[in-house]
Amino acid sequence: SQTIHQWPATLVQPVGSPLSLECTVEGTSNPNLYWYRQAAGRGLQLLFYSVGIGQISSEVPQNLSASRPQDRQFILSSKKLLLSDSGFYLCALNRGSETQYFGPGTRLLVL
Amino acid sequence: AQSVTQLDSHVSVSEGTPVLLRCNYSSSYSPSLFWYVQHPNKGLQLLLKYTSAATLVKGINGFEAEFKKSETSFHLTKPSAHMSDAAEYFCVVSTRSNDYKLSFGAGTTVTVRA
Repeated sequence: SQTIHQWPATLVQPVGSPLSLECTVEGTSNPNLYWYRQAAGRGLQLLFYSVGIGQISSEVPQNLSASRPQDRQFILSSKKLLLSDSGFYLCALNRGSETQYFGPGTRLLVL
Repeated sequence: AQSVTQLDSHVSVSEGTPVLLRCNYSSSYSPSLFWYVQHPNKGLQLLLKYTSAATLVKGINGFEAEFKKSETSFHLTKPSAHMSDAAEYFCVVSTRSNDYKLSFGAGTTVTVRA
């Protein structure tokens, strides 16, 4: 069965610092990969999705970017963090129209 | 276009009593519908899904949901709440016309009283 790893689990960063969150998957190949953000007390917002290596679609304009250097690796980045980037970041995968499965998440606090 | 409305932001029940979480959806095409559960500081876990087969869907941990097209609803129920059911629950819709991307409701927080 497939497994999603997210690193780190928790991160506290100052405003203006760079960011790199990593998502790696096991047990599947050629997955669709997704980054979501969950702000405090709110639902999930889709940030990026990728259907293959080097293919990134952005859902909302923002301070973040994503990359997919390998089939099973999805990275979320920022050059300069904003306070509004704080939240719970979730990586998810599926294949085609199948159910999406979620990783354990990374909690980011920008101070 | 697709969207989901969860009618209750917070539900409080006593242990051993039934739980009802209400969800209405809007979709131009035949939807797939999901319920996910999120415990504090954890990722989302799939409870159950509807994908155009049986309208009464049974999931994990004793939960079930009924798809009612005429009412555009997909309410989640459990006959007897357990303390471990305290969590946040999300109703989610996806359609082929939107490349199967998920649209989430705002969530319902469930508290269970002893």
